[in-house]
Amino acid sequence: ETGVTQTPRHLVMGMTNKKSLKCEQHLGHNAMYWYKQSAKKPLELMFVYNFKEQTENNSVPSRFSPECPNSSHLFLHLHTLQPEDSALYLCASSPSRDSPLHFGNGTRLTVT
Amino acid sequence: KQEVTQIPAALSVPEGENLVLNCSFTDSAIYNLQWFRQDPGKGLTSLLLIQSSQREQTSGRLNASLDKSSGRSTLYIAASQPGDSATYLCAVDSGGSNYKLTFGKGTLLTVNP
Repeated sequence: ETGVTQTPRHLVMGMTNKKSLKCEQHLGHNAMYWYKQSAKKPLELMFVYNFKEQTENNSVPSRFSPECPNSSHLFLHLHTLQPEDSALYLCASSPSRDSPLHFGNGTRLTVT
Repeated sequence: KQEVTQIPAALSVPEGENLVLNCSFTDSAIYNLQWFRQDPGKGLTSLLLIQSSQREQTSGRLNASLDKSSGRSTLYIAASQPGDSATYLCAVDSGGSNYKLTFGKGTLLTVNP
């Protein structure tokens, strides 16, 4: 158990669907992150939230919309995705820059 | 732009062997370097974090070194076990206003019984 919980574990959606990914941590960490892991590519940072405020958007298309209602929860809202968006989406949290990231087990997303 | 390269991409060794995984990065102005482990279908587990002022970190059978000036890090695994089989990822925090890690593609390690 990593302390970071992601739901659902698997998601299949059509290109016209709207769905949301959820991430929850009760580690007391102030920062939360969304990463994308595609086959044969390095992990890519998508968004960073510090104390519920978005501090980084790594040129992510607007069909991905993050939400951080409080420091324990992070969502990624998805709409009109493309097949190339199929990937493992990982959430992470950290208490500070001098500490390692704590990752969830990810949501395996397939866009058909 | 920081780039991280890991060599080899895959490694297969017999149980009990000592092994070294390599990581190189293009911009030596880093804040810290981290090694992670990822099991199939799972998230990443942190193994070691080396601050830019440090030369190495040790945890059990794992030892990570950092040579910032040459842009290199190594992860040494002693007396490998089948349970060490996983993908090992190196990541660099290049500083700046946000905690942003740049990852390598990883080394897939298989330890055969």
